[in-house]
Amino acid sequence: QKEVEQNSGPLSVPEGAIASLNCTYSDRGSQSFFWYRQYSGKSPELIMFIYSNGDKEDGRFTAQLNKASQYVSLLIRDSQPSDSATYLCAVNLRGGSYIPTFGRGTSLIVHP
Amino acid sequence: GAVVSQHPSRVICKSGTSVKIECRSLDFQATTMFWYRQFPKQSLMLMATSNEGSKATYEQGVEKDKFLINHASLTLSTLTVTSAHPEDSSFYICSAPPTGVNQPQHFGDGTRLSIL
Repeated sequence: QKEVEQNSGPLSVPEGAIASLNCTYSDRGSQSFFWYRQYSGKSPELIMFIYSNGDKEDGRFTAQLNKASQYVSLLIRDSQPSDSATYLCAVNLRGGSYIPTFGRGTSLIVHP
Repeated sequence: GAVVSQHPSRVICKSGTSVKIECRSLDFQATTMFWYRQFPKQSLMLMATSNEGSKATYEQGVEKDKFLINHASLTLSTLTVTSAHPEDSSFYICSAPPTGVNQPQHFGDGTRLSIL
């Protein structure tokens, strides 16, 4: 079992819809969780991070964390074509260390 | 926030060439830097952690003699791909480590390396 798993997609949604991206992780002791957006040929940029169970909202983005089920998700409301990118989930798996492990990313396509 | 500058952004060279990639912290001092490699449609894979003034820590399976890492100052870390071959073609990204367990990393812009 991979440490951080994401469906590679592509996930295709129409403009204005809600895009839901999911990530599961293997280490129950994981402490912090990050969502990065990566455009083709570019380095990742931070969207959100979360470390407490529940929801965290920032504009059109909502991160959801469920430690009991070991999953973290990212919801994008009112999806725009400019949201089309690969979304990477990163999890701090190693207790006490600051080196997150990345999932392979989910490709999101928002079509007009 | 922390700014990380990475150069060059793109390198195309012949097989057998050695290529150096620089990663600079512009507004902070970094005692460590992370180096990642990313193949198309794959995840970021941590290659090594550079440590200022001491040897780098390599991840399992990464050839130390192939990927030379130097962290000579608190603002500069370099990755040299020695005698590069086509299979070394990839996207290489450096990042400054988080300042705390719940803090994000700060990535450089990445280097696209293409070996002919």
